Amino acid sequence: NAGVTQTPKFQVLKTGQSMTLQCAQDMNHNSMYWYRQDPGMGLRLIYYSASEGTTDKGEVPNGYNVSRLNKREFSLRLESAAPSQTSVYFCASFRDRGSQRDVSNQPQHFGDGTRLSIL
Amino acid sequence: DAKTTQPPSMDCAEGRAANLPCNHSTISGNEYVYWYRQIHSQGPQYIIHGLKNNETNEMASLIITEDRKSSTLILPHATLRDTAVYYCIVRPSSWGKFQFGAGTQVVVTP
Repeated sequence: NAGVTQTPKFQVLKTGQSMTLQCAQDMNHNSMYWYRQDPGMGLRLIYYSASEGTTDKGEVPNGYNVSRLNKREFSLRLESAAPSQTSVYFCASFRDRGSQRDVSNQPQHFGDGTRLSIL
Repeated sequence: DAKTTQPPSMDCAEGRAANLPCNHSTISGNEYVYWYRQIHSQGPQYIIHGLKNNETNEMASLIITEDRKSSTLILPHATLRDTAVYYCIVRPSSWGKFQFGAGTQVVVTP
């Protein structure tokens, strides 16, 4: 997935530490997303950003903050990491613009994930 | 927002067609059906999507019923590399959200 780049790929934290997960896309997409995936589970939406300067909560936003730095970059921050936040985090982007018909017709592009362990 | 229902797992023999069902009985008229798959916890990979008509690409075919309440993803000649979790998603009417369900674990056996 050359279009969406996530860093780091792996990280181990201690409870209470903070860190920021970085995501960048080079496809000029308007919308960007953060998901988490726990073992054996599907992806759950944490936050998304429909456009530069806007962010909205998804299904599981508690314990996270996001920042849409510019059109390319969307970061996810854990202020005080907890073991329950151990997960794989995926970033995605989507070209949301135009009519609803156009919006629904555009697939998402995903990064390769950040594997985060909190001890 | 329309939700989807998929069987939790299914097996398929290598070389045979794999037919993956999805129910989306509350789908609205302007919502698309998308299929993604995820292999070994990699990032989800787009497969195909459609609105009303059946669709085909190099990876798969998508058959949507006339009432749009269900669909079937067809992998015409399954290979071992098609072993993955397959997600059926209905694109919601509100901009920005794109939510995944539990998916179907497909295991292709020799």
